Amino acid sequence: GAGVSQSPRYKVAKRGQDVALRCDPISGHVSLFWYQQALGQGPEFLTYFQNEAQLDKSGLPSDRFFAERPEGSVSTLKIQRTQQEDSAVYLCASSLAPAGRNTEAFFGQGTRLTVV
Amino acid sequence: AQTVTQSQPEMSVQEAETVTLSCTYDTSESDYYLFWYKQPPSRQMILVIRQEAYKQQNATENRFSVNFQKAAKSFSLKISDSQLGDAAMYFCAYRGNDMRFGAGTRLTVKP
Repeated sequence: GAGVSQSPRYKVAKRGQDVALRCDPISGHVSLFWYQQALGQGPEFLTYFQNEAQLDKSGLPSDRFFAERPEGSVSTLKIQRTQQEDSAVYLCASSLAPAGRNTEAFFGQGTRLTVV
Repeated sequence: AQTVTQSQPEMSVQEAETVTLSCTYDTSESDYYLFWYKQPPSRQMILVIRQEAYKQQNATENRFSVNFQKAAKSFSLKISDSQLGDAAMYFCAYRGNDMRFGAGTRLTVKP
């Protein structure tokens, strides 16, 4: 596609429910990032993929958070047993080159997750 | 881990005037890049300008320019001739082995 696509745009989950957030990066992009952005805050790094390899997951806040990119393209961020503090916008970004290279990261419009 | 600090939560500028947004970062890496992104209410992050750490020359993109001080680990954004459409959240980002963002500065442009 022309840009990074995230779905759903909005998700309301009941506390304790599992959710799956999808990211379709730009075709051919090697790097894929997930961020969590609370209202009025900057994006907080969650995890980074280079192709299908998850090279950094140091930002995942707990073992309830899991991300995968099995074929090196589409990625899914899964949150198990959601809690109210998980409410945020989840942003996905992709870039053509691996990390450390000077390429722009393109962002999706995010998924706004509200846990009630 | 690398950290990015934006010490100005909010800034305001009169239309057609100039404003500078500050950013500092901390890293032990030698090869990295710095970016400023703009995020309007639509939430879509838009790249404003980028700077390679190995280049001494400050990057410029039309009305946007940076003041990159590598030794001080400082990377400020100057917006000249501010326009109403510049109003947004601005995020400084560091890209090395991963990509980290500051907390953002909300820029208001007064007509």
